[in-house]
Amino acid sequence: EAQVTQNPRYLITVTGKKLTVTCSQNMNHEYMSWYRQDPGLGLRQIYYSMNVEVTDKGDVPEGYKVSRKEKRNFPLILESPSPNQTSLYFCASSFGGSNQPQHFGDGTRLSIL
Amino acid sequence: KQEVTQIPAALSVPEGENLVLNCSFTDSAIYNLQWFRQDPGKGLTSLLLIQSSQREQTSGRLNASLDKSSGRSTLYIAASQPGDSATYLCAVNRGTYKYIFGTGTRLKVLA
Repeated sequence: EAQVTQNPRYLITVTGKKLTVTCSQNMNHEYMSWYRQDPGLGLRQIYYSMNVEVTDKGDVPEGYKVSRKEKRNFPLILESPSPNQTSLYFCASSFGGSNQPQHFGDGTRLSIL
Repeated sequence: KQEVTQIPAALSVPEGENLVLNCSFTDSAIYNLQWFRQDPGKGLTSLLLIQSSQREQTSGRLNASLDKSSGRSTLYIAASQPGDSATYLCAVNRGTYKYIFGTGTRLKVLA
């Protein structure tokens, strides 16, 4: 089954403790992206990747890191999480052309205490 | 700076009604526009994608239109059903893989 898989789905952690949210897709997509969703603000793009080893900042990259060493994986790293990063996070992927839709994972709910 | 607005924020309709959801954007230089559905606790499901050169797309009871010159897209849902209850989001692709989302319209279809 074609899908985007995020892990973990839920995480409660404390300020300053490094964490990684994994994202994997099995559709051979070139493009992958991370978003956060907050009430009243909608989804905002954090980082995206056009292909292996090619990444760029979205609208809200501060406090996050990403890497794209393999085509299928695009982990999101919070080196020193803070409470303002408590949010619902989504990973998405697509083939990247103008007629190619994005496919989303089920989301990761992060709570930073 | 591109901004995307969806009005109304919430909508309740009786089953069977035809309805229109609106999406407005401030910069007409877009690559494509995509409509999504989001169910509680779930990710986003792609409904329709309209490329910059297209005027509309249809899938089943759904029809999405795009008018770049006026900065508007509409999602038309025919003969609404309780199963259509969800939050509907539009997203504008600005090109270079950058997407801007609206804050969504929460739809409730009453049986």
